[in-house]
Amino acid sequence: GQNIDQPTEMTATEGAIVQINCTYQTSGFNGLFWYQQHAGEAPTFLSYNVLDGLEEKGRFSSFLSRSKGYSYLLLKELQMKDSASYLCAVLMTTDSWGKLQFGAGTQVVVTP
Amino acid sequence: DVKVTQSSRYLVKRTGEKVFLECVQDMDHENMFWYRQDPGLGLRLIYFSYDVKMKEKGDIPEGYSVSREKKERFSLILESASTNQTSMYLCASTRGNQETQYFGPGTRLLVL
Repeated sequence: GQNIDQPTEMTATEGAIVQINCTYQTSGFNGLFWYQQHAGEAPTFLSYNVLDGLEEKGRFSSFLSRSKGYSYLLLKELQMKDSASYLCAVLMTTDSWGKLQFGAGTQVVVTP
Repeated sequence: DVKVTQSSRYLVKRTGEKVFLECVQDMDHENMFWYRQDPGLGLRLIYFSYDVKMKEKGDIPEGYSVSREKKERFSLILESASTNQTSMYLCASTRGNQETQYFGPGTRLLVL
């Protein structure tokens, strides 16, 4: 199985930038998702990377390096509502039907 | 608008009871998943289904079973609930590989 590592918690100030890193094993890798999950709610889709490079969507960007087994989610101009858990999830070539393997999540705390 | 619904948001059961958790999606998705989410452990896959009446074990199937009699409905069954099955249960669906999973709101189950 995969070993997906991401930091447990990060704290940042409103208006700042935070970068959440995710590392995974490269063998059999087929794509990487980022989800946002507010406390007590369902995870919601943020981004999907399958090729190397940066994907930008407004204040959120996601980067992937397939050769290094590394991704990051960049949150810019942080707002209080960005306080949430951010989940990194990997799609493997050995898994079919959209099955994902999730990291434990990174809790981001935004302070005033 | 995409929708995945779960039968209950909160549930309290006693040890030994049989518990049914229902999930319904209205997107005509082929694939459906049941996860449990516990602090520090992230989302762990219990079972998934890629077609009606088809099911596959996930990473932690012990103590659980599932049923998929109709395409839109995927049920998780705890045959004899135990206290270590106290958790948040999340259902998800996806159209296929390399497509995002859409999550239901979750059921917080407490087994006393």
